[in-house]
Amino acid sequence: KQEVTQIPAALSVPEGENLVLNCSFTDSAIYNLQWFRQDPGKGLTSLLLIQSSQREQTSGRLNASLDKSSGRSTLYIAASQPGDSATYLCAVITGGGNKLTFGTGTQLKVEL
Amino acid sequence: EAGVAQSPRYKIIEKRQSVAFWCNPISGHATLYWYQQILGQGPKLLIQFQNNGVVDDSQLPKDRFSAERLKGVDSTLKIQPAKLEDSAVYLCASMGTGGITGELFFGEGSRLTVL
Repeated sequence: KQEVTQIPAALSVPEGENLVLNCSFTDSAIYNLQWFRQDPGKGLTSLLLIQSSQREQTSGRLNASLDKSSGRSTLYIAASQPGDSATYLCAVITGGGNKLTFGTGTQLKVEL
Repeated sequence: EAGVAQSPRYKIIEKRQSVAFWCNPISGHATLYWYQQILGQGPKLLIQFQNNGVVDDSQLPKDRFSAERLKGVDSTLKIQPAKLEDSAVYLCASMGTGGITGELFFGEGSRLTVL
């Protein structure tokens, strides 16, 4: 059974700081990994999708890396802003049946 | 392209009452998921459909929860009778086979409060 863990559970940083969010998974036979952002009371917004054959994806100030062999992914946020405050979730897809497993999330607060 | 639509956005009911949530996925998306998200936790899969067939409902509390996707398009999730611990956000997501493989799109969610 795939298990996905995110560390830290919560993070508070001053504006402008670069930060790294971690996601680890127990079954390395993944199809892809997706990072999401969730604002309070809202649904999930897709940030980045990394296919199993890729090592990283970039979008603006966000960079996500994937190391399948070690069962890890990191989401790097450069020059953090208060608007980045949200919960960040990673999810992995395993197997041909598109079985999706979520991590527990990292709650980020970027302070002025 | 229109996103995943869910309704109602909010629902408040008393325990033992029933409730139904509706989801319309992105047009052409064959895979549809229902997730339950309790405050402070990650989403938990309730049921996964591929077209109108069930792929995974192993975590669906079948004594009180039911879901259907009769025509392989929109879907309904029902809870009857509701319990206090069912208070959560119910998220619907869909995935297509074209475009970026395996990319998942979520609706805004339906927040249920059971009193």
